[in-house]
Amino acid sequence: KNQVEQSPQSLIILEGKNCTLQCNYTVSPFSNLRWYKQDTGRGPVSLTIMTFSENTKSNGRYTATLDADTKQSSLHITASQLSDSASYICVVRPYGATNKLIFGTGTLLAVQP
Amino acid sequence: NAGVTQTPKFQVLKTGQSMTLQCAQDMNHEYMSWYRQDPGMGLRLIHYSVGAGITDQGEVPNGYNVSRSTTEDFPLRLLSAAPSQTSVYFCASSYSTPVLAGSTDTQYFGPGTRLTVL
Repeated sequence: KNQVEQSPQSLIILEGKNCTLQCNYTVSPFSNLRWYKQDTGRGPVSLTIMTFSENTKSNGRYTATLDADTKQSSLHITASQLSDSASYICVVRPYGATNKLIFGTGTLLAVQP
Repeated sequence: NAGVTQTPKFQVLKTGQSMTLQCAQDMNHEYMSWYRQDPGMGLRLIHYSVGAGITDQGEVPNGYNVSRSTTEDFPLRLLSAAPSQTSVYFCASSYSTPVLAGSTDTQYFGPGTRLTVL
């Protein structure tokens, strides 16, 4: 079982609508949690990075939240645009690991006009 | 400032052939790494380097070699390609290693190399 689970696997929304993507992790303790956006055929691009002590981090229309007690993070996208169509990947860095980042498999978001 | 560049973008190999995937960055980053991305799986770390002359294995290093003779370049060599190495390969760099405790350095990824081994 993957230590970082994302849901839903895929999502279709209409342009202008909001959406929330979920990330549940079992990694404990952890150092930080990252969200990346990956456009089709491109490399991932960093959206937010939160340490274990942070609850929320924003980057424009993207807002990530973190609940370390329930081991859940969410990425909220406000007023979606066609360019938001991409895969969104949650990544957890375990505390104390020497070279490990644990990647989720991503949520594929399609924004339709 | 080109960021992280990778060549080639696409490559088809036959089983047993060898090749080198190129990666370069112009941000003077010390940390560079190689990942592979397969359908239904998260990115997995192959090898990484914390500076010129220093490399180490990641999660899935078998069948791959790396070297780091300069800060800018971090090539990945496939010694004898196998169909199991069919994947998309990403190179990434950051100012410091993202796995250091407390590090929140942004990792920058290249555009990827799509490799097919027949």
